[in-house]
Amino acid sequence: DTEVTQTPKHLVMGMTNKKSLKCEQHMGHRAMYWYKQKAKKPPELMFVYSYEKLSINESVPSRFSPECPNSSLLNLHLHALQPEDSALYLCASSQDGFTPQHFGDGTRLSIL
Amino acid sequence: EDQVTQSPEALRLQEGESSSLNCSYTVSGLRGLFWYRQDPGKGPEFLFTLYSAGEEKEKERLKATLTKKESFLHITAPKPEDSATYLCAVQARDFGNEKLTFGTGTRLTIIP
Repeated sequence: DTEVTQTPKHLVMGMTNKKSLKCEQHMGHRAMYWYKQKAKKPPELMFVYSYEKLSINESVPSRFSPECPNSSLLNLHLHALQPEDSALYLCASSQDGFTPQHFGDGTRLSIL
Repeated sequence: EDQVTQSPEALRLQEGESSSLNCSYTVSGLRGLFWYRQDPGKGPEFLFTLYSAGEEKEKERLKATLTKKESFLHITAPKPEDSATYLCAVQARDFGNEKLTFGTGTRLTIIP
């Protein structure tokens, strides 16, 4: 069992819907990450939060909006997504940004 | 730009047949090299971190080694449960850069 918990595990949404992905960790880690992973590809970094502040945004379209309400919680708000946004969305955390990242099992997102 | 190349892309072994996976990298000052295992539909599971040339880490049937240009993941007498995709990632020493650069992975299949 992973110590990074992501909900929901699966999500199907239409292109006009608004939904949110949630990630939680209770390891006291101060860096949290969102990745996107397409089939048979490595994870692609989207956002990094360090000490609850956004430190890296990898030029992600504005239809993806991250939020870090506190040091244990990370959200990804989704709006007006495109079919090509269908993927596995992974959350990860690390103690300080320079130690190993620990991943959740992801949310499988399908855009109709 | 940091780059990571993994080979082979896919590897099929008989149970008990030892082999090695390769990860070649170029990075502007290595902070750390990470090995992960990923099962289908799951997030990457952290295996090892290597920080300097000559370093070695072991866990059960896996042993990771590091030189200035590449890392090897040696698997000894593998079992079917070792079947997975193995990902290598590097992190540069740039201050404030928490980003991991991943290779495309090696899909390992162990045949009973």
